[in-house]
Amino acid sequence: SAVISQKPSRDICQRGTSLTIQCQVDSQVTMMFWYRQQPGQSLTLIATANQGSEATYESGFVIDKFPISRPNLTFSTLTVSNMSPEDSSIYLCSAPLAGAADTQYFGPGTRLTVL
Amino acid sequence: DQQVKQNSPSLSVQEGRISILNCDYTNSMFDYFLWYKKYPAEGPTFLISISSIKDKNEDGRFTVFLNKSAKHLSLHIVPSQPGDSAVYFCAALARGYTGNQFYFGTGTSLTVIP
Repeated sequence: SAVISQKPSRDICQRGTSLTIQCQVDSQVTMMFWYRQQPGQSLTLIATANQGSEATYESGFVIDKFPISRPNLTFSTLTVSNMSPEDSSIYLCSAPLAGAADTQYFGPGTRLTVL
Repeated sequence: DQQVKQNSPSLSVQEGRISILNCDYTNSMFDYFLWYKKYPAEGPTFLISISSIKDKNEDGRFTVFLNKSAKHLSLHIVPSQPGDSAVYFCAALARGYTGNQFYFGTGTSLTVIP
């Protein structure tokens, strides 16, 4: 299975600032995904990060708020911009196992608290 | 609209007994289902899956049952162990022209009491 790491593991940020979360996969993957899990909620897909093209955002999420980079097949970043307390959440990146697109593997998550 | 639902937010079971976690879905186009386990401060870990062409898949202590007519799946853990205490998410896969999309339930927190 793919090994996925994320940095930072947690952060406490001030309102109005931005935070960039990094996701590293130990093998090349075509698609990487960014999810958000708010307290007591399910995992909600923010966007799909495609290497070499613009990320595809889900309804309710926009590029200005959550810009994504995908510079190569093993790395992606998600920025949470102009943060408010409502952005406090766990942010997770995921990728399918190479050759098995039916299963998502997740990073450990980034726990963000916005004051 | 929540297409995958886990109606029990929590479940407590004695060690050695069976744990049954339930999941319902609404979209008949889902054809692959997964269960994930999540410990605090960790990301979800893939546990077991089932294709819609099957009604049962077993892996050690874990068995997933699928009832397509009822749009219901369940995860059975036998025997339950204290290390099984975690939040369990069910997920369903929808296949689209632009790629696969996963839909997750809200999770069930399982506590196995020693």
